[in-house]
Amino acid sequence: SQQGEEDPQALSIQEGENATMNCSYKTSINNLQWYRQNSGRGLVHLILIRSNEREKHSGRLRVTLDTSKKSSSLLITASRAADTASYFCATAFYGNNRLAFGKGNQVVVIP
Amino acid sequence: GAVVSQHPSWVICKSGTSVKIECRSLDFQATTMFWYRQFPKQSLMLMATSNEGSKATYEQGVEKDKFLINHASLTLSTLTVTSAHPEDSSFYICSARDLQGQGGYSNQPQHFGDGTRLSIL
Repeated sequence: SQQGEEDPQALSIQEGENATMNCSYKTSINNLQWYRQNSGRGLVHLILIRSNEREKHSGRLRVTLDTSKKSSSLLITASRAADTASYFCATAFYGNNRLAFGKGNQVVVIP
Repeated sequence: GAVVSQHPSWVICKSGTSVKIECRSLDFQATTMFWYRQFPKQSLMLMATSNEGSKATYEQGVEKDKFLINHASLTLSTLTVTSAHPEDSSFYICSARDLQGQGGYSNQPQHFGDGTRLSIL
């Protein structure tokens, strides 16, 4: 999982399998966001989930948020080789413009 | 929509040179833009928050005189790395939020440029 004291996670899966990655945070948030970064590129926004939401879907992506455990998960279903990337969660706080990024999860999808 | 253009994408220059990086929001207005630095296989480190028409807000440990930020319009912010040295070599990324996005400003995602790879020899 991201943040905390854990090392960045690396996940290698076969095409067609599901990929799940986790993120934890420490303080109350306004929302939590997931981003994807292809090697050497900028970040692409995937999903934003607000603090009063528990689950959100976008295509093959499913994000959950558990504010009692201060954690979130990102599920990619039926993965494709093009999903190979690093995935970052980022938390937004009330009254603050900034995002706090997790350490990232590197996902490799093998064709 | 919500495209952020960052230029240049790659810079190689000699030590002591000053390098300017531009970040433009192409189809939306952004009163606030953000500058990040990223080392290989690491997460993004926020360097500063760029505010249109006012001084940038720098994170602790980031030298204001080293990393000059100018946000002169609602669509352009620039980061100038002054008198760059090899230790300044890194991947620099900017982002911006849409002032008019749905759901309120506080629930807007950040839109990122493609980054600038800076290599100082």
